[in-house]
Order: sequence, then C-alpha cells, then structure tokens
Amino acid sequence: DSGVTQTPKHLITATGQRVTLRCSPRSGDLSVYWYQQSLDQGLQFLIQYYNGEERAKGNILERFSAQQFPDLHSELNLSSLELGDSALYFCASSVQGGTGELFFGEGSRLTVL
Amino acid sequence: GEDVEQSLFLSVREGDSSVINCTYTDSSSTYLYWYKQEPGAGLQLLTYIFSNMDMKQDQRLTVLLNKKDKHLSLRIADTQTGDSAIYFCAESWASYDKVIFGPGTSLSVIP
Repeated sequence: DSGVTQTPKHLITATGQRVTLRCSPRSGDLSVYWYQQSLDQGLQFLIQYYNGEERAKGNILERFSAQQFPDLHSELNLSSLELGDSALYFCASSVQGGTGELFFGEGSRLTVL
Repeated sequence: GEDVEQSLFLSVREGDSSVINCTYTDSSSTYLYWYKQEPGAGLQLLTYIFSNMDMKQDQRLTVLLNKKDKHLSLRIADTQTGDSAIYFCAESWASYDKVIFGPGTSLSVIP
C-alpha cells in the first residue's frame, strides 16, 4: 500500500460525458502528479501540483483540467469524453526534496463507450 | 527534449540475468529511476541513480549509467518468476520536478 488513494477504481461512461477522478496523496506529501497510461502512448505526464499551485504541465488536453485543494487532495476533470480517452489514470505524490521518488496510487480505469 | 526510449519486450529464463536498457535525450537530467509495475497495480520505485554516478548496486539489481551516451541499464541477477512485470525507466531534472517515463519494458520470465 503506497498510501495514495484514488477513486473511483473503475468508471464506465459514454462519449461526450464528464467525469471527475479523485486522489488523496500520502500524508505529508505536498506534490501531486497525474499520469495517463494507455496501450499506444505509454505513461504520459499530464500535470503536477505543489501545495495547491500548478507546477508543471505536460501533454494535458484542453478538455482536461485539474486542481489541488487546501487539504492537498487533487481532482482531475475530464470533459467532452472521447473513445480515445479510455485509459488508466494514475495519481502519484512525493515529498519535497529527497530522491524525488513518486508514490503511485492504484489508478482509475476509465472506459468511454 | 523530453524523450525516454526502451525496448518493449524481454524474455529470459528463470535463473538467468535480465538486462533492460534505456536511452534518454536530455543530458541535464539529474535523477534517473527504474520503476516496476506489476499487473493491476501502480508503479513502485525499484532503484534510482544520480547523474554523477556510474553504477549503483542494490542486492540483485545493478544500475549502470553512461552519461556520455545517455544510456541507462538495469540488470537483474538470478531472475525469478516474481520479477515478471513492466519496468519503466524515468528521468527528472530535480527532486521536485516532473518525472518523465519511458514506454516500459515487459519482462517475461520463463520457468
């Protein structure tokens, strides 16, 4: 158990819909990262937050948005869903400093039909 | 640029050594990592190496870094069936920075 909690574990929805994925980082970790894992694109970095502020942005679509709340949990919002958005979405957290080790949640599997 | 490359598949016999290779393009990367993903699970850090090191050994794991060629390798000695998983190479510029992952190498261990 990494200490990172993601909900829901599985989600099935239709094209055009909107979903919210939630992540609770390990206690004390200020950084939260979101990654998308798909068969054809591997593990893609989406976005990083540190203590409520956006720190880095990767290949995140404009239809996607995220935020980190004062209690440090984070949400990833995916809207106008397309079939190609079907993937496993991982959240990871890390401490400031150290080796930069990321602690991953078990992921939220999104299926868009 | 940000790009990490790995071969996608590797198959070895139980008891043999496995060597998983990775190349990265950004010479300014400070931290280089190997993560392991078992079926149905998230990624877990196996080991890491700083860019000012050439080698790191941790029990059955040996990491070699050739900074000139931007080449990183992970050697697993005495590979066991429990080592079957996907292994990701990753790089970062600072401990608080984003981490970029390669596509992952699926290691199959034949009993």
